Amino acid sequence: DTEVTQTPKHLVMGMTNKKSLKCEQHMGHRAMYWYKQKAKKPPELMFVYSYEKLSINESVPSRFSPECPNSSLLNLHLHALQPEDSALYLCASSQESRTGGFYTIYFGEGSWLTVV
Amino acid sequence: AQSVAQPEDQVNVAEGNPLTVKCTYSVSGNPYLFWYVQYPNRGLQFLLKYITGDNLVKGSYGFEAEFNKSQTSFHLKKPSALVSDSALYFCAVRDDIEAAGNKLTFGGGTRVLVKP
Repeated sequence: DTEVTQTPKHLVMGMTNKKSLKCEQHMGHRAMYWYKQKAKKPPELMFVYSYEKLSINESVPSRFSPECPNSSLLNLHLHALQPEDSALYLCASSQESRTGGFYTIYFGEGSWLTVV
Repeated sequence: AQSVAQPEDQVNVAEGNPLTVKCTYSVSGNPYLFWYVQYPNRGLQFLLKYITGDNLVKGSYGFEAEFNKSQTSFHLKKPSALVSDSALYFCAVRDDIEAAGNKLTFGGGTRVLVKP
């Protein structure tokens, strides 16, 4: 089973709203990711969590705030977004090793975000 | 730095004909190479990967890819394309010595259109 579950599938929010995207995996993966994807473009890495600690932040604006409550869950808190933040937000996970190596990243179906 | 190029924005092929999607990469060390497929309004699905070993890698849905170190290529192939293979295909690379955490670099994507 290589399933990453994301909710909601669609979200419309105003520029003053606060909302959250949620992601869950039960594959025992210890690395979790948030990517942003614009139409017909490749995914862009936003954040990486490794063993529940933030390990990579790709200079993402502070209006995006990630949270990893435990090894199975990953949230992305959204506040004061701009219309240009409208995109598909993909959560992903992979195995992780403290001694190196790289493992396949598995993606969820994504959350379509529209900022109005 | 690691990079990957997909020279064709779109590939058109008739159903039943062979399908090839091109990918070339650049890394400092040895590459970890991946292919993903994205169907309309869906997340990315993992197709196959090359880490080490046999240069010909077999993956899901009848796809295979050939690793060519001298040409720094990892082209995706399918002997007989189906209309249902119409999708957006992404090649991705990770350098084994890149000190950048779990960062996967994606190509720009190639849209495949299989006509009946």
